[in-house]
Amino acid sequence: GAVVSQHPSRVICKSGTSVKIECRSLDFQATTMFWYRQFPKQSLMLMATSNEGSKATYEQGVEKDKFLINHASLTLSTLTVASAHPEDSSFYICSATERSLGDNEQFFGPGTRLTVL
Amino acid sequence: AQSVTQLDSQVPVFEEAPVELRCNYSSSVSVYLFWYVQYPNQGLQLLLKYLSGSTLVKGINGFEAEFNKSQTSFHLRKPSVHISDTAEYFCAVNGYIFGTGTRLKVLA
Repeated sequence: GAVVSQHPSRVICKSGTSVKIECRSLDFQATTMFWYRQFPKQSLMLMATSNEGSKATYEQGVEKDKFLINHASLTLSTLTVASAHPEDSSFYICSATERSLGDNEQFFGPGTRLTVL
Repeated sequence: AQSVTQLDSQVPVFEEAPVELRCNYSSSVSVYLFWYVQYPNQGLQLLLKYLSGSTLVKGINGFEAEFNKSQTSFHLRKPSVHISDTAEYFCAVNGYIFGTGTRLKVLA
């Protein structure tokens, strides 16, 4: 099956620093990648959708200057949390879809837990 | 607008008992429906999906779900649960609209 990896799996940083999270599709070319945020005991909240080579589309209420998304290739998307603060602490999950699939099925990464001190 | 409602936030059930996790959806367009399972500190794994055709869908780990268009539901069932089924279960419509999740707790 299609595999998506995320790196790092866990990161702890000081307030004010920027954190980059990578999302890679390992055995397929990802047409589209999605970034989600999940608060404890809550559902996934879609943050943005990115297509290779174009600007990400952000959901309402998500600060594009705060959460910078780059989808440089068909196998890599990055999320950079700029000047992170404690309220940015969360579980960030990426997913990817494959061009050949027309059913909206997403393949999820294992997630990255961000803790901002 | 599309939305998903999971009516139960937590479902405790004894091992080897049957379980049903409820999911209702709202959509003005054709729907694809999914159930995912999430174990602690992990991403989501696909359990099963409904795209078209037979309304009874069988997935992994013995789970199945039935698409009911008239009731706009896609309830997840398993006839006999195991301790290892303890996890968070999410229903999703059209890939990226998720319900709030149901925590299944299997008791010994």
